[in-house]
Amino acid sequence: DTAVSQTPKYLVTQMGNDKSIKCEQNLGHDTMYWYKQDSKKFLKIMFSYNNKELIINETVPNRFSPKSPDKAHLNLHINSLELGDSAVYFCASRRQGAQETQYFGPGTRLLVL
Amino acid sequence: AQSVAQPEDQVNVAEGNPLTVKCTYSVSGNPYLFWYVQYPNRGLQFLLKYITGDNLVKGSYGFEAEFNKSQTSFHLKKPSALVSDSALYFCAVRDSGDYKLSFGAGTTVTVRA
Repeated sequence: DTAVSQTPKYLVTQMGNDKSIKCEQNLGHDTMYWYKQDSKKFLKIMFSYNNKELIINETVPNRFSPKSPDKAHLNLHINSLELGDSAVYFCASRRQGAQETQYFGPGTRLLVL
Repeated sequence: AQSVAQPEDQVNVAEGNPLTVKCTYSVSGNPYLFWYVQYPNRGLQFLLKYITGDNLVKGSYGFEAEFNKSQTSFHLKKPSALVSDSALYFCAVRDSGDYKLSFGAGTTVTVRA
């Protein structure tokens, strides 16, 4: 069973399009995250939701909008895609408490042409 | 504010030799420290963490790390490296009062046969 899953795995699209990436976790965690990994492999946090409430909103263009319909899902919608949005986007969920760990999804590789 | 530094972009070792990947951190509260590994075209996999307790923590695949509060370091070590350990390694820190996990720039480990 996949703990954190993302769809799609690959996404190739034209500039100006709108696209969504979906994330689901079956771990029962309350907190979920979106990260962006650029071509130099730098990992940067974008958003985090805790119990469907936005708790982290880093300096990200407002073309990016997260949505959490329930605790198990955190989707990322991107409007008016730009070349610089090309990256790998990772979803993660966090187990809290003494056993704290973040579990990452396999990533969505976005290429904007 | 929290930050983490991985001073080496690359570490090269021969199979069977000890492997060390360095990490230093800065937090204002108590640090929660993590190591993750990323294989090519894969998501991040959790290796080990320090939250509290013994300064020496053991994790997956024979890796261990030592928390050193005075040197604000959390170096990752493996006594005998394998070719299959070749990957990108990330150190991460979370301040006890924050939801956000900050990642280092990553260190590429190459283990030659």
